[in-house]
Amino acid sequence: DIQMTQSPSSLSASVGDRVTITCRASQPISTYLNWYQQKPGNAPSLLIYAASRLQSGVPSRFSGSGSGTDFTLTISSLQPEDFATYYCQQSHGIPYTFGQGTNLEIK
Amino acid sequence: QIQLQQSGPGLLKPSQTLSLTCGISGDSVSSSSATWDWIRQSPSRGLEWLGRTYYRSKWYNDYALSVKSRLTINSDTSKNQFSLQLNSVTPEDTAVYYCARLIGNSWLDFWGQGILVTVSS
Repeated sequence: DIQMTQSPSSLSASVGDRVTITCRASQPISTYLNWYQQKPGNAPSLLIYAASRLQSGVPSRFSGSGSGTDFTLTISSLQPEDFATYYCQQSHGIPYTFGQGTNLEIK
Repeated sequence: QIQLQQSGPGLLKPSQTLSLTCGISGDSVSSSSATWDWIRQSPSRGLEWLGRTYYRSKWYNDYALSVKSRLTINSDTSKNQFSLQLNSVTPEDTAVYYCARLIGNSWLDFWGQGILVTVSS
């Protein structure tokens, strides 16, 4: 299985900050990498697909980059509604696997 | 708008069979461009992809090796839904179970609301 490792596991930041979360795959996955946001009690919600494509309806302050084994999710200016847990997921091969999550908290 | 509505019991005893259903509105379980997936989430295992069913001139299934011997995913075209059956559950199967649609051979764009399943004697 392809292992996905996110860093950091948790992050404290303030409204207006620029935040970057990284995800590393245990083997090259091209751009088969997706990012999800999850708020307590809710299902994950797709933010970015194919490493850098913004899902419809997602604010443009979210962006993704990377290919191969190293990927980043950037939030350019944190808003109060962005405090949540973020997951990466690879879709290069079955079984699809997720990172362990990054909990973004208010400083 | 696509919606996935999950149903099923939330409490099971060890060795019982978990059965969950995911009803689809706004798309078809027979879609040639989607797969219909099950994922679960627990504090100990995180988000774990379990398997999928999809139609490409005939029906296919894929399962995670960790559950392959116990898991069956079926589709019901008359009700436009798909289902999960997990046999011989143990407390380690306690988790929130989600159904989801995967498109582009790649991303999960719509999710069900999730059902917390607890396995306890």
